[in-house]
Amino acid sequence: EVVLTQSPAILSVSPGDRATLSCRANQNVNNNLAWYQQKPGQAPRLLMYYASTRAIGVPARFSGFGSGTEFTLTISSLQSEDFAVYYCQQCNNWPPWTFGQGTKVEIK
Amino acid sequence: EVQLLDSGGGLVQPGGSLRLSCAASGFTFNYYDMSWVRQAPGKGLEWVSGISGSGSSTYYADSVKGRFTISRDNSKNTLYLQMNSLRAEDTAIYYCAKPMTPVTTWFDNWGQGTLVTVSS
Repeated sequence: EVVLTQSPAILSVSPGDRATLSCRANQNVNNNLAWYQQKPGQAPRLLMYYASTRAIGVPARFSGFGSGTEFTLTISSLQSEDFAVYYCQQCNNWPPWTFGQGTKVEIK
Repeated sequence: EVQLLDSGGGLVQPGGSLRLSCAASGFTFNYYDMSWVRQAPGKGLEWVSGISGSGSSTYYADSVKGRFTISRDNSKNTLYLQMNSLRAEDTAIYYCAKPMTPVTTWFDNWGQGTLVTVSS
């Protein structure tokens, strides 16, 4: 089973600042990694797939990078609507499809 | 527009059973594998089970194998999750999830979720 480790668990950022989230896999997942955003009381929303391709409607301030075992999600200039929990998911070795434990981006 | 409507959650005693449903619309249901993903209160996402478009192949997380059964009725565009021998640790919001395309496995559409509470 692929284990995904996200860091940090909590990221405190001021609006307008840059945020960088990390996701590390315990084995090679190539570029088969997705990122999701989840706000309280809502279902997850797909942000990024193939590690760096933005889903439909996702603003350009979101960017993804990485391949193999190391991945990052960067939000270039945080807006109020970006404060949420972010999860990575691997889609390379399944089943099971596995998620990271999440990074909460909170207002500093 | 793709819509996934989850239902069937509720309060059940440990050892009890529950069947969840997910009514799908807005896409060709039988073309897509489908999955159930759950989220325990205050915790992260956990993939639970998946099923191929035809229903011929099913997949389960180790945590539910032997207790949960996924199925689908393509004539009704509906996905099911039969949950037996429920435990307190099965308490969660259960979401059905659709992949972005028939050949990918990241989920671009999710139901609104249905809450399952296992407690005496």
